[in-house]
Amino acid sequence: DAKTTQPPSMDCAEGRAANLPCNHSTISGNEYVYWYRQIHSQGPQYIIHGLKNNETNEMASLIITEDRKSSTLILPHATLRDTAVYYCIVTDNFNKFYFGSGTKLNVKP
Amino acid sequence: GAVVSQHPSRVICKSGTSVKIECRSLDFQATTMFWYRQFPKQSLMLMATSNEGSKATYEQGVEKDKFLINHASLTLSTLTVTSAHPEDSSFYICSAPGSYEETQYFGPGTRLLVL
Repeated sequence: DAKTTQPPSMDCAEGRAANLPCNHSTISGNEYVYWYRQIHSQGPQYIIHGLKNNETNEMASLIITEDRKSSTLILPHATLRDTAVYYCIVTDNFNKFYFGSGTKLNVKP
Repeated sequence: GAVVSQHPSRVICKSGTSVKIECRSLDFQATTMFWYRQFPKQSLMLMATSNEGSKATYEQGVEKDKFLINHASLTLSTLTVTSAHPEDSSFYICSAPGSYEETQYFGPGTRLLVL
């Protein structure tokens, strides 16, 4: 079962930062937090992942709270092409991915 | 990054027939692959874990005789939907773990429509 909860939808203005929250209060010490996104009718696309420290790559930044019970994905300058469903996933046994309901991000001009 | 392909991308079949969907890791080997199903406006649901050289393991509630999985090589897993019915119409997606902290790489998906 999914171990994460996310708001069902969020709006963001084009060019502004999109901050997507995720709660994972039951995360275990050795479990990673992964973020993927799915654009309509496509397979999920990897964005970023982390264990304890904040992470940044060319797509986004990941901020993980010190107690690891929640995290935030930051898209620094959202574009219309970032409109998608964003999934926060905490790995389970044998690295199985159990998807929650995700957050539908609507980037508006 | 690693690439996973699926074939076909879209298939339409008659009720009662069987449909095979292929999942390939193109530039890396995968001893394990995963199969998901996604109904419209819903999230991905993990169906089963495909294991190279051994039997697949199915998630609770997934009929193993209905969804046959074969992982014949280190780069190919197949999902066969047997005796398909309209309720099996869905978007089927596979994934394979990469070598970097077990990041999963997903295929583009196969849309199945059973008439």
